[in-house]
Amino acid sequence: TQLLEQSPQFLSIQEGENLTVYCNSSSVFSSLQWYRQEPGEGPVLLVTVVTGGEVKKLKRLTFQFGDARKDSSLHITAAQPGDTGLYLCAGASGQAGTALIFGKGTTLSVSS
Amino acid sequence: GAVVSQHPSRVICKSGTSVKIECRSLDFQATTMFWYRQFPKKSLMLMATSNEGSKATYEQGVEKDKFLINHASLTLSTLTVTSAHPEDSSFYICSADRAGGTDTQYFGPGTRLTVL
Repeated sequence: TQLLEQSPQFLSIQEGENLTVYCNSSSVFSSLQWYRQEPGEGPVLLVTVVTGGEVKKLKRLTFQFGDARKDSSLHITAAQPGDTGLYLCAGASGQAGTALIFGKGTTLSVSS
Repeated sequence: GAVVSQHPSRVICKSGTSVKIECRSLDFQATTMFWYRQFPKKSLMLMATSNEGSKATYEQGVEKDKFLINHASLTLSTLTVTSAHPEDSSFYICSADRAGGTDTQYFGPGTRLTVL
């Protein structure tokens, strides 16, 4: 059974601070996706990383996929209150019609 | 593109009644749709995988007779919570796997079910 360990589970920081969220697994994924979810809404896709060692940037967010495609990180620079939400990583096995493997999520709270 | 809708967004029902939730892929065909349940500040818990024209595959511990899933077309899957009880109150989310597409799944906005 594939598992994704996501940490930290909760993070409360001040505006302007940097933070990193980690997702680790002993399994190899064909791709890994990061989602952000606000209360009462569905998850919104932020990025998909596919290639080992890949780094993608989305404004102040930097996503990295490990060389072995077993782990990934999300780094936010100079966090803002608007970054508050639940961040979810999800790994794909690459088999069509197979559900994503989700991490437990990181609840981020950024206060001004 | 790749928009998934859910209806209704919120529903309140009495204990013992049944509730149907629809999940539609609006601008693409979805070979597979997935149904999740989510508790506050928790991650998504997969309930079942739904393939068009065939029976859904349920995760361990999910009662198939209680959570009826029908995937009648490539753009519509429905989840019916039968004889709902207060413990079924939750946030239900669907996602769709684009036919012939990549690993990316597209999520609906969710349905908040409250059973009184």
